[in-house]
Amino acid sequence: DAGVTQSPTHLIKTRGQQVTLRCSPKSGHDTVSWYQQALGQGPQFIFQYYEEEERQRGNFPDRFSGHQFPNYSSELNVNALLLGDSALYLCASSPTGLDTEAFFGQGTRLTVV
Amino acid sequence: GENVEQHPSTLSVQEGDSAVIKCTYSDSASNYFPWYKQELGKGPQLIIDIRSNVGEKKDQRIAVTLNKTAKHFSLHITETQPEDSAVYFCAARSGRDDKIIFGKGTRLHILP
Repeated sequence: DAGVTQSPTHLIKTRGQQVTLRCSPKSGHDTVSWYQQALGQGPQFIFQYYEEEERQRGNFPDRFSGHQFPNYSSELNVNALLLGDSALYLCASSPTGLDTEAFFGQGTRLTVV
Repeated sequence: GENVEQHPSTLSVQEGDSAVIKCTYSDSASNYFPWYKQELGKGPQLIIDIRSNVGEKKDQRIAVTLNKTAKHFSLHITETQPEDSAVYFCAARSGRDDKIIFGKGTRLHILP
């Protein structure tokens, strides 16, 4: 089992550009959540996808959007990048249910210059 | 809103001694409390978790305790080893939704 995989591992973008990050969940998991982790901080919840729909959303602007595909993989899109969007973006997957473990990928390090 | 406070932010202990990290949560509907270890350049790794119907759970050198009345939970690492050096995060998940709220982390240094 490959666990949760994310791509790319590192990315450098210019302010104002758009970026797409990708996540493949752990085998058997159908729920994907995205988190933003600024340097020296804990992960902050962005949103969660289940059955190809956004189920929960944290306090992030509409510039952050996502998608889930029928195979449960997911994308995170960020438009009009700001310098403050520089962070480690983490994907976590879990099986259906509110009482289940969440497993994280290694993250995508996004640097906005 | 939901909040998880974690202390201390940095902790240094002698190899072989015990380390304790404490957290409090605000959402009384929280019913699942995972702990994650994050090493440099990696994603958080789940090391132990506890559910609200249990007061204590142990896995080898790691134990977690939960006091629902006080909304406190703690991580205890005994017989610390150099490979325990990392950043540790506590977290809480509400029974209302599936969001996991994280503390700000504790950087644990194991001194030789």
